[in-house]
Amino acid sequence: GIQVEQSPPDLILQEGANSTLRCNFSDSVNNLQWFHQNPWGQLINLFYIPSGTKQNGRLSATTVATERYSLLYISSSQTTDSGVYFCAVGIAGTYKYIFGTGTRLKVLA
Amino acid sequence: DGGITQSPKYLFRKEGQNVTLSCEQNLNHDAMYWYRQDPGQGLRLIYYSQIVNDFQKGDIAEGYSVSREKKESFPLTVTSAQKNPTAFYLCASNGRGTADTQYFGPGTRLTVL
Repeated sequence: GIQVEQSPPDLILQEGANSTLRCNFSDSVNNLQWFHQNPWGQLINLFYIPSGTKQNGRLSATTVATERYSLLYISSSQTTDSGVYFCAVGIAGTYKYIFGTGTRLKVLA
Repeated sequence: DGGITQSPKYLFRKEGQNVTLSCEQNLNHDAMYWYRQDPGQGLRLIYYSQIVNDFQKGDIAEGYSVSREKKESFPLTVTSAQKNPTAFYLCASNGRGTADTQYFGPGTRLTVL
């Protein structure tokens, strides 16, 4: 089956720093989403991005489907950005998603 | 407001008991999902349903059962056959399968005593 790997597994930043999170997947997919899981466990949609680039405030994402990776950029990080970031890929022809193992981000004040 | 609700938020169960977790959505979505998350881990798919009265096993369905009698509701039963049920359970839905954004409920934390 499709493998989804995220890097780095853990990241500690000072407030105001920028970061790049990576998601690699092993086969063609028809969907890719980025989520933020807050300390209470709620998963929040960040981007639905099967290809191309999108931006939302301090966050942006790029998916290069032909090379099987996606990047999530966080600029001017804030303590509220702390939590776990997951990417999830949708398997073409099914209703199934495969989640990566996540990147745990801690932003220090 | 549209969204997904899960209840209860916390659930404690004695070994050998079956428990049912509730998931309701008012987003008019066809597809619904149940995931399990263990501490420090990612999400693993238990069951999913594409349409009313139809559902499929995910990657870790053993010891769980579901029903989909109404479009809005997708309850999950954790049976006594599930050997290690203590985990965080998340329900999700979307409108057009993987060609659509997936939305999540707030989750239920199940602890077996």
